[in-house]
Amino acid sequence: SQQGEEDPQALSIQEGENATMNCSYKTSINNLQWYRQNSGRGLVHLILIRSNEREKHSGRLRVTLDTSKKSSSLLITASRAADTASYFCAPPQGAQKLVFGQGTRLTINP
Amino acid sequence: DTAVSQTPKYLVTQMGNDKSIKCEQNLGHDTMYWYKQDSKKFLKIMFSYNNKELIINETVPNRFSPKSPDKAHLNLHINSLELGDSAVYFCASSQARTNTGELFFGEGSRLTVL
Repeated sequence: SQQGEEDPQALSIQEGENATMNCSYKTSINNLQWYRQNSGRGLVHLILIRSNEREKHSGRLRVTLDTSKKSSSLLITASRAADTASYFCAPPQGAQKLVFGQGTRLTINP
Repeated sequence: DTAVSQTPKYLVTQMGNDKSIKCEQNLGHDTMYWYKQDSKKFLKIMFSYNNKELIINETVPNRFSPKSPDKAHLNLHINSLELGDSAVYFCASSQARTNTGELFFGEGSRLTVL
């Protein structure tokens, strides 16, 4: 069955640096979504990348997708303290369901 | 205006009790979900309803019963609560019932079973 696994589980960087988080999944997909979760809050959608796209940008976010390796990455450039959160990839399983993993816990140090 | 709202935000109860969590969305979406997030932050889908019809029912104990009185509401009732039910429960909604739909999450309901 489908599973999204984020790597690393935790990442701590200095403000202004770039943060890269990776996601691996098991079965073929038609798209993949990324979400952010601030502490004690619900998840917020960041970006969706389709299987025919290799890269997508949204502000300081850059997402890549390599369907041959069943992997995706999320890059946050010029990080800010407000980027401190957990980040989840969500590959779909079947036509109707998104599968979430454990997330990457990102800490931006001032 | 809150798009997806859940009540209560916190719930502390004894084992064996029955409790309910309510969810409402004002986005006009057709599909609603319940997710469970455990202490290690894994987020797992429990149920999904599309226009009041159950479309996803994961392997969840039948002590958990969702109810959708209309497409804007999806409540979760839990009978005979167990220690392992302690978690944060998230309600979500999306316009599409397919996997391309962006999910909008509520703020979560933290259930603690003593």
